Amino acid sequence: ETGVTQTPRHLVMGMTNKKSLKCEQHLGHNAMYWYKQSAKKPLELMFVYNFKEQTENNSVPSRFSPECPNSSHLFLHLHTLQPEDSALYLCASSHAGQGGNQPQHFGDGTRLSIL
Amino acid sequence: SQQGEEDPQALSIQEGENATMNCSYKTSINNLQWYRQNSGRGLVHLILIRSNEREKHSGRLRVTLDTSKKSSSLLITASRAADTASYFCALLGGSQGNLIFGKGTKLSVKP
Repeated sequence: ETGVTQTPRHLVMGMTNKKSLKCEQHLGHNAMYWYKQSAKKPLELMFVYNFKEQTENNSVPSRFSPECPNSSHLFLHLHTLQPEDSALYLCASSHAGQGGNQPQHFGDGTRLSIL
Repeated sequence: SQQGEEDPQALSIQEGENATMNCSYKTSINNLQWYRQNSGRGLVHLILIRSNEREKHSGRLRVTLDTSKKSSSLLITASRAADTASYFCALLGGSQGNLIFGKGTKLSVKP
């Protein structure tokens, strides 16, 4: 149990569907992150939120839309995705500040498959 | 932006042997972190070593940092089958100082 819970664990969707990924942390952290992990590629940072404010959007296509209603919850809304978006999506949290100076705690991810 | 490069890409050893993984980087750092990822799971933070530290231990893990050579190593002593996982180093990078991960070393420990 890492203190970071992601749902669903697996998701299969068509390219025209709309779905959302959810992340919840119970560690009292103020920073939350979305990462994409594809086979044979390094982990890619997508979005960063500090104290509910988005502080990083790493050139992510607009078909991915994050939402952070409070410091404990993070969503990733998905719309008209492409087959290359199939990947493991990982959520992480940490104490706020420069993310590189803090250990990050990860959820177990959502395995997303786009048909 | 800054990214660590792990070496080797894959490592296969017998239970009880030691495993050593290396991470090289290009520019100066504040700290370097090591993470483990078991198959189908998220990453787990192992150790954070600061630029003014040379060595750090946690149980069977030993991390060294050589800033003059811009490299770090992770040593797992007396390995167990449960150590089978991918290991990543991560560095500060990007415009906002976020973590940038390498491609990882895939460790297989055979019983």
